[in-house]
Amino acid sequence: GQNIDQPTEMTATEGAIVQINCTYQTSGFNGLFWYQQHAGEAPTFLSYNVLDGLEEKGRFSSFLSRSKGYSYLLLKELQMKDSASYLCAVRDSNYQLIWGAGTKLIIKP
Amino acid sequence: IAGITQAPTSQILAAGRRMTLRCTQDMRHNAMYWYRQDLGLGLRLIHYSNTAGTTGKGEVPDGYSVSRANTDDFPLTLASAVPSQTSVYFCASSDSNRGLGGANVLTFGAGSRLTVL
Repeated sequence: GQNIDQPTEMTATEGAIVQINCTYQTSGFNGLFWYQQHAGEAPTFLSYNVLDGLEEKGRFSSFLSRSKGYSYLLLKELQMKDSASYLCAVRDSNYQLIWGAGTKLIIKP
Repeated sequence: IAGITQAPTSQILAAGRRMTLRCTQDMRHNAMYWYRQDLGLGLRLIHYSNTAGTTGKGEVPDGYSVSRANTDDFPLTLASAVPSQTSVYFCASSDSNRGLGGANVLTFGAGSRLTVL
């Protein structure tokens, strides 16, 4: 079967750095996505990785290792507004998205 | 403002009733999707449409139907609602460019919270 694993919940301090991991086992690979979802709102796109390495976009970076089936989302200089769920999704060989259950990130002052 | 509009925002429904969730996009995206989101589970695809006039089944299609008469609208119908269909439903769209190997990023609507009693 196909599955995406990510921690259920993480807590971090305002101003700090946090890394949210995602491991996947899918039928083929055609890209990995990170989405942010604030409580009661729609998911919004954060990043896309299709090649190994680090993609940096402001305070957020996403890393991919296809050989290890592993990605992480790195959030720097955490702000209270970063409190949200972070969803990892992998596009498989049929170009279907397989979604993880999401990691709820709690930021404390 | 360009985006996706879903209606209703929230609905309580008696089991056995028929319900249609509406979804309209104004971005001229060719692909549209319906997902359900349940606590502790990832988003699960119900039905999708790669282009107007075509639809396909996702991971959890049973009990749901869709139609895609035009580019903008993609309604989801529950023919006879059951309590297990209590969920938050998200409509999404993308400018599908699979052939170019692009990101094909999804834009989501605000969601419809459905409770079936």
